[in-house]
Amino acid sequence: KAGVTQTPRYLIKTRGQQVTLSCSPISGHRSVSWYQQTPGQGLQFLFEYFSETQRNKGNFPGRFSGRQFSNSRSEMNVSTLELGDSALYLCASSLDSGTRVNEQFFGPGTRLTVL
Amino acid sequence: TQLLEQSPQFLSIQEGENLTVYCNSSSVFSSLQWYRQEPGEGPVLLVTVVTGGEVKKLKRLTFQFGDARKDSSLHITAAQPGDTGLYLCAGANTNAGKSTFGDGTTLTVKP
Repeated sequence: KAGVTQTPRYLIKTRGQQVTLSCSPISGHRSVSWYQQTPGQGLQFLFEYFSETQRNKGNFPGRFSGRQFSNSRSEMNVSTLELGDSALYLCASSLDSGTRVNEQFFGPGTRLTVL
Repeated sequence: TQLLEQSPQFLSIQEGENLTVYCNSSSVFSSLQWYRQEPGEGPVLLVTVVTGGEVKKLKRLTFQFGDARKDSSLHITAAQPGDTGLYLCAGANTNAGKSTFGDGTTLTVKP
């Protein structure tokens, strides 16, 4: 089985721009979660989608949004980029995050740098 | 809000030494996962523990889930440079529908 893929791997943007990141989960996985990882804050939960519906949301401003398509692929969008948005954005897929055993499989991440 | 505290935050040891990393919480989790992450890559799932008191072994790594399912430990025997990385624990909660991650332990094993 192919693993979780994320595109692009690296991205450089300037303040005020917007960005869209893409994630393709493992075949058969219906849950996709997004995390922001920075050296000082660890892994911060952004949101989780299951069957095209956002089920959970972390404490991030409305500039961060996402969606999931019928094939379980997911995108996240960040509008009006700020310097503090520079981070590694990770996507994780699982069969269903609402189960007792929530084993998540991560993609390699997208390294976003905001200048 | 469920929190997971990992200790130590940083650990630097010589090849061949043993070490233990801890993951503690005041909350009960339905299961707990351990991941290892290398720089610039995503975390890789190592193990899942589900039952209180459960012990799982993966070669030189031993994982234990606390009896009350609030804490876990990872013990590495005879560490090797290839064990270097960021070790993350994550607690799953059925009611929350998501996992809570600890801040991680950065392990460096020197040859």
